[in-house]
Amino acid sequence: ETGVTQSPTHLIKTRGQQVTLRCSSQSGHNTVSWYQQALGQGPQFIFQYYREEENGRGNFPPRFSGLQFPNYSSELNVNALELDDSALYLCASSLYTDTQYFGPGTRLTVL
Amino acid sequence: GQNIDQPTEMTATEGAIVQINCTYQTSGFNGLFWYQQHAGEAPTFLSYNVLDGLEEKGRFSSFLSRSKGYSYLLLKELQMKDSASYLCAVRGTTDSWGKFQFGAGTQVVVTP
Repeated sequence: ETGVTQSPTHLIKTRGQQVTLRCSSQSGHNTVSWYQQALGQGPQFIFQYYREEENGRGNFPPRFSGLQFPNYSSELNVNALELDDSALYLCASSLYTDTQYFGPGTRLTVL
Repeated sequence: GQNIDQPTEMTATEGAIVQINCTYQTSGFNGLFWYQQHAGEAPTFLSYNVLDGLEEKGRFSSFLSRSKGYSYLLLKELQMKDSASYLCAVRGTTDSWGKFQFGAGTQVVVTP
C-alpha cells in the first residue's frame, strides 16, 4: 500500500509569485484535503476535493485554488504569494469522510 | 463554527502517565481524532472516537464525552520518543462535511 506523497519537499518563492504543490493520495482513497500549518499552530483547513470537485472550503481567499484529477491526485495553487503564506502545506487523503492520513508536507518560504 | 481548546504544553517524566485534555464547541460533530506530530514532520493518526467512552490502543487511550464536548488522550509508560505535539481534531457534518478542525496542539516534553 502506497502512502500519501507530496512534492516538492521545500520551496522558496518571492512575493507576488505563483506556486503549485502536488499530492498523490494513498491507494484506495478518493478524497483529498489541504491544510496550511504555521509554526506552532495546528493545521488550518484550506479545502477538500471529492470526485474532482471542491467539497468544502475554509477561510482562505480565492487566490488559493485546487484541482483533483481522475486518479485522485491533487494540486494546490497559490497566486500572488504573500509573506504570510510561508508555512507547511499538508495534504491528507481519506476514503470519503474516514480517517485522514497526511503526507510529509511541503515547506513553503516566501521572501 | 467550531472552537477547539487544548493546553499549550505539558511536561512529564519517562515512565509516567500524561493526560491531554481537549474541549470543543461545534455546530456539527461527527467524530474526534487525535494525531501525533513530531517537529518538522506530518501528523500521524493515533485514535478516533465517535461514541462516548474509552478507546484503548496499546499505551494510548482516548476518551470522549459528547454531552460535555470533551475528550482526553492518555499516554501511559511514557517514552522519550513520545515527545511531540498532540493534535485534537473534530470532524464536522452537513455544511462542513468531512472537514477536520484542528486545535493548536499540545507540546508534550518527556524528561529522563
